[in-house]
Amino acid sequence: KQEVTQIPAALSVPEGENLVLNCSFTDSAIYNLQWFRQDPGKGLTSLLLIQSSQREQTSGRLNASLDKSSGRSTLYIAASQPGDSATYLCAVNGGNFNKFYFGSGTKLNVKP
Amino acid sequence: DAGVIQSPRHEVTEMGQEVTLRCKPISGHDYLFWYRQTMMRGLELLIYFNNNVPIDDSGMPEDRFSAKMPNASFSTLKIQPSEPRDSAVYFCASSPWTERANTGELFFGEGSRLTVL
Repeated sequence: KQEVTQIPAALSVPEGENLVLNCSFTDSAIYNLQWFRQDPGKGLTSLLLIQSSQREQTSGRLNASLDKSSGRSTLYIAASQPGDSATYLCAVNGGNFNKFYFGSGTKLNVKP
Repeated sequence: DAGVIQSPRHEVTEMGQEVTLRCKPISGHDYLFWYRQTMMRGLELLIYFNNNVPIDDSGMPEDRFSAKMPNASFSTLKIQPSEPRDSAVYFCASSPWTERANTGELFFGEGSRLTVL
């Protein structure tokens, strides 16, 4: 069974800092990997989707990378802002067809 | 597109009552998923459908839980009878997947927060 781990569980940084969130998975046979953001009391908002054939995806200040062979993905946030404060989750689509496996998330706090 | 629509957004009920949660997926999406989120367990997949057919219900915790998808635009998750330990946020999500365009991106609704007293 695919297991997804996110480290750290929580992170607090001052505004303006660049930061990296980590996601690791145990089975490299994946279709894609997706990063989400969840604000308190809200649903999950898709940030970036990386297909298994891709190495990275970028959207604004966000950059996600994927290394299937090592079972790792990183989400890089440049010039962090207080509005980036949220929980970030990664999900791996693999194993069983179109079945998503979620990490437990990294709770990010960006201090003004 | 309006996105995945769930109702109700909040439900407070008493133990033993029947609870029905509803979901309208994004039009054209082939897959529909029901998840449950709690502080203790995080996000748990309960069941998912492909073209209205249940594919994997191994995450459904007990026989008290049931889910249906009578057509491509509607699904329900029912709990009968409800118990306090069912209190959680229940999310519906949908995903497009075809052999031609297998992006497999997952889109979530806002969730239904259930409190069972």
